[in-house]
Amino acid sequence: QVQLVQSGPEVKKPRASVRVSCKASGYTFNAYYLHWVRQAPGQRLEWMGQINPNSGGTHYAQKFLGRVTMTSDTSVSTAYMELSSLISDDTAMYYCARLPSGRFFFDYWGQGTVVTVSS
Amino acid sequence: QSALTQPPSASGSPGQSVTISCTGTSSDVGLYNYVSWYQQYPGEAPKLLIYAVSERPSGVPDRFSGSKSGNTASLTVSGLQAEDEADYYCNSYAGSNNFVFGSGTKVTVL
Repeated sequence: QVQLVQSGPEVKKPRASVRVSCKASGYTFNAYYLHWVRQAPGQRLEWMGQINPNSGGTHYAQKFLGRVTMTSDTSVSTAYMELSSLISDDTAMYYCARLPSGRFFFDYWGQGTVVTVSS
Repeated sequence: QSALTQPPSASGSPGQSVTISCTGTSSDVGLYNYVSWYQQYPGEAPKLLIYAVSERPSGVPDRFSGSKSGNTASLTVSGLQAEDEADYYCNSYAGSNNFVFGSGTKVTVL
C-alpha cells in the first residue's frame, strides 16, 4: 500500500533552517510528483511547491522563493523540504502529498511533521 | 496567489444536506476543471474527497458530491452524519504548476 512517512518533530531557533523528509513506499517513487503543504496552528492549508523526483525539477510558490529548497534521493525513495531563515510564522505542520501523474489532486498524504520556531 | 474563499463554518442536523462554496477567479477555479476537496479531522492529515470538480475516489461515500459554476465550486454533503463533522478545504490548479487552497470550512453536525 502507498505510504508517505515523514520525519519527526523539529524545534528551531529564528534564522535557522529546517529539513523535513518524506519517505515513500508502495509505489514507483520516480513516477509521481511530490508536493509540500503546510498548516499553521488553527489556519488553512498552504501550498508550498513541488518536486519531480525523476528529473529533480522543482517549482515553488512565490511566497517561498529564495527560502525553500526541495530535493529528492531516488536511491532511498525520499523527498526533502528545507526551509531557511525561519521566523515564528513558520511554526506549522508540514505535509508531503503525492500527485498522480498527469492529474491535479493529492491522493496520498504524509502524517505531517511539526516544526516549531522559537527562541 | 490569494486563498480561495470558503465560508468559515457550515452546519446541519443529521440527515440534512450542507453545501460549501469555494470561490476563486477566472485564473483558477473558473479556468480549470481541476478543483479537489479534502476532509481533515483535528490532528490528522487531509483526505481526498473529490477531484476534477465532481469525481469521487473509490471508498468515498456517494453522499459527497462536487460541482462548479463559473468561478465557484461547491461541495455538498447529503444525509449528514456525525462523522462528517470536520474541516473541509477546496483546492484548485492555478496554472504554471501552481496550486491554491481554500480558506477552509468547519462543518458542525448539530
